[in-house]
Amino acid sequence: NAGVTQTPKFQVLKTGQSMTLQCAQDMNHNSMYWYRQDPGMGLRLIYYSASEGTTDKGEVPNGYNVSRLNKREFSLRLESAAPSQTSVYFCASSDGQLTDTQYFGPGTRLTVL
Amino acid sequence: AQSVTQLGSHVSVSEGALVLLRCNYSSSVPPYLFWYVQYPNQGLQLLLKYTTGATLVKGINGFEAEFKKSETSFHLTKPSAHMSDAAEYFCAVSAGNNRKLIWGLGTSLAVNP
Repeated sequence: NAGVTQTPKFQVLKTGQSMTLQCAQDMNHNSMYWYRQDPGMGLRLIYYSASEGTTDKGEVPNGYNVSRLNKREFSLRLESAAPSQTSVYFCASSDGQLTDTQYFGPGTRLTVL
Repeated sequence: AQSVTQLGSHVSVSEGALVLLRCNYSSSVPPYLFWYVQYPNQGLQLLLKYTTGATLVKGINGFEAEFKKSETSFHLTKPSAHMSDAAEYFCAVSAGNNRKLIWGLGTSLAVNP
């Protein structure tokens, strides 16, 4: 039972390059989330998927796109990376109820030069 | 709208001393409240949560928190700090009819020998 897995763990991009961050969960959860974490700014929600087939913008969606590929997988795409997107990215999942725990992946450290 | 304020971005205690991390929330509906911990270079994990019922909630690793509606607070405590408690701690609130958590900015706890 791996929980929430993320790939890659580390990535360095040049400005303007694109990439996709992958996330998968094996807990049969309905909801999945993408956050970014920056020093002094806590966790900020980029996009979330309340259930398979749906996605919604969070607090900071500009410059990102997402795909809920199936119930297990939720990917985050940077079409044209910018230095402001240098951050640590976390994927999380939950059963989707207000009282449910969110389970986090180990994170992806992204640097955009 | 909901919001969370964590008082003190950095807290330092001596090993064996009381740990007190402060969290105040704002919510127009009954809140569900969470504390998460993030150890260095890891994802977040749940420490404890309040949903309904008993207002004193016990979590993992000897931590507990008390929901005080009159003070709109959910402070985290541990009677005796251990070196392994050094981490970032996040308070979050869930309320209303969406599946998102509203996060505080986090408190970094240092434990001195």
